Amino acid sequence: ETGVTQSPTHLIKTRGQQVTLRCSSQSGHNTVSWYQQALGQGPQFIFQYYREEENGRGNFPPRFSGLQFPNYSSELNVNALELDDSALYLCASSVGQGFTDTQYFGPGTRLTVL
Amino acid sequence: DAKTTQPTSMDCAEGRAANLPCNHSTISGNEYVYWYRQIHSQGPQYIIHGLKNNETNEMASLIITEDRKSSTLILPHATLRDTAVYYCIVRVGVSGNTPLVFGKGTRLSVIA
Repeated sequence: ETGVTQSPTHLIKTRGQQVTLRCSSQSGHNTVSWYQQALGQGPQFIFQYYREEENGRGNFPPRFSGLQFPNYSSELNVNALELDDSALYLCASSVGQGFTDTQYFGPGTRLTVL
Repeated sequence: DAKTTQPTSMDCAEGRAANLPCNHSTISGNEYVYWYRQIHSQGPQYIIHGLKNNETNEMASLIITEDRKSSTLILPHATLRDTAVYYCIVRVGVSGNTPLVFGKGTRLSVIA
């Protein structure tokens, strides 16, 4: 167990809807990174939050947005859902200091878009 | 794109050592090699990382060649619970909390 929790576990939405996914980081960690994992692929980096500010972004459109709160928990919001957004969404927390900082993953949220 | 090359799949007999290779011929001097594994539909689990020296922890050993162009993850006594996809990752960037760039990994099947 990494101490990183995510909610909900599973979610079903329809195309065009909006969704919010949540992540609680491990105690003592101030950085949260979000990844999308399509079926049969490795996780792909969406963005990272460090001390409540976006600190890097992968190749994802603006309809993917996020927040980090003072307690370092985080939300991932996706607007105008598309069928291809169906995936496992993973968050990872880390201490956020230094190059060798290790990221620890939560169990993920499985999003299905119909 | 991922900077590593791994075999698509491997089998290992239960109780034997599992040796998972990874090529990273373009690795830079300040880039680390990380290994994660992912058991079906769970979040990736951190295993080990290293720069140039061999590393060992309670889960595995990491052997990095002297030229740093390849490495091997060793699970000394594989069990059925080690069946997973194993990702070798070279962490890009020179400082800060850089993201992990995953490839497709190696699917390890431990057979009884």
